[in-house]
Amino acid sequence: DAKTTQPPSMDCAEGKAANLPCNHSTISGNEYVYWYRQIHSQGPQYIIHGLKNNETNEMASLIITEDRKSSTLILPHATLRDTAVYYCIVRANTGGFKTIFGAGTRLFVKA
Amino acid sequence: DGGITQSPKYLFRKEGQNVTLSCEQNLNHDAMYWYRQDPGQGLRLIYYSQIVNDFQKGDIAEGYSVSREKKESFPLTVTSAQKNPTAFYLCASSRGHGNEQFFGPGTRLTVL
Repeated sequence: DAKTTQPPSMDCAEGKAANLPCNHSTISGNEYVYWYRQIHSQGPQYIIHGLKNNETNEMASLIITEDRKSSTLILPHATLRDTAVYYCIVRANTGGFKTIFGAGTRLFVKA
Repeated sequence: DGGITQSPKYLFRKEGQNVTLSCEQNLNHDAMYWYRQDPGQGLRLIYYSQIVNDFQKGDIAEGYSVSREKKESFPLTVTSAQKNPTAFYLCASSRGHGNEQFFGPGTRLTVL
């Protein structure tokens, strides 16, 4: 599975959009981009995933660049409850399995 | 409610004792996983199972053992051979091994 690079921390004002970047320059053609988040001392929560098209659900939007070497998770109206560590993961949906959860980005939403 | 449960939430053991962490899911998922998380770090895969009676080592399997006798259950035993067992342990499941994972609330193990 490809490795990802994320900034260690970011701040966002409450009510504003939070844009979390992720670089995955070695991503393979069959690898998806997944995002999870982990609120302190809880299990990670699945947010969204995509292959090459942009995706949106009730939690967030995922924007993947045309060359697929980077992506951005967008929380359109961040709340204090969105303060968490956000993990970007790339992995194939077939074949051998390993999920690489790195250190992620610690997002602080401030009032 | 469908979900994945881990018990207990906090566990204390003396050094040299084996301890078994419970993980149960009622989501009818085929695949289950165990991760370890140390403070300020990401998750590392210990073991995973794609189907009943089958499991595979992850990145840090040494000192751990698992069983998968039932689809719903995937217990993890932390043996005395694990040199640094104090950590936050997370169990997850997915419909298939290629699908998104659902995580339990975790068990914080402290070895005294």
